[in-house]
Amino acid sequence: GESVGLHLPTLSVQEGDNSIINCAYSNSASDYFIWYKQESGKGPQFIIDIRSNMDKRQGQRVTVLLNKTVKHLSLQIAATQPGDSAVYFCAENIEGSNYQLIWGAGTKLIIKP
Amino acid sequence: DAGVIQSPRHEVTEMGQEVTLRCKPISGHNSLFWYRQTMMRGLELLIYFNNNVPIDDSGMPEDRFSAKMPNASFSTLKIQPSEPRDSAVYFCASSRPPKNIQYFGAGTRLSVL
Repeated sequence: GESVGLHLPTLSVQEGDNSIINCAYSNSASDYFIWYKQESGKGPQFIIDIRSNMDKRQGQRVTVLLNKTVKHLSLQIAATQPGDSAVYFCAENIEGSNYQLIWGAGTKLIIKP
Repeated sequence: DAGVIQSPRHEVTEMGQEVTLRCKPISGHNSLFWYRQTMMRGLELLIYFNNNVPIDDSGMPEDRFSAKMPNASFSTLKIQPSEPRDSAVYFCASSRPPKNIQYFGAGTRLSVL
């Protein structure tokens, strides 16, 4: 039969609007979280990170929010641009795990002109 | 600084042939990771080296896959013999303390016919 690929959640946002990408992480022992952006034909690219002792961290046009109570992470992108179209992955590092990352499935962000 | 460099960018081979993928990590990084990405399974960690020593190879699918890191600036992933189901994009990433953010290469797209 035909193979079925991963069904990535997709978020469509109008150019110029803000976007919020969500991620539920799995392990309460995770102490470090990273957001990556993967454009078509490229490797994942580091965007922003946050440690578990923080609730919020801001970068250029991006903000990451961490809610440890419900094990939820979000990436907010302000004033989206066409170049923001990509798949976004959250990754978590479990304390003491020798730097290995646990990767989320990814969210596809589409910017509409 | 040059990022992680992978070669070749594309590889097309026939079933049964040996395939060697190459990676040059970022200078000064002491951890190196090999990943495989497919539509079916997403991003999978194959093997992880720290200071040139394989730490965790539990993700290597089978004995047909082997990886080496003879020095701090070079690693190879070999598939022998290759099979059509090995077709995927293979990424190499490197990192260093204290943050251990993984930086990815552009990937090698492997097609086994």
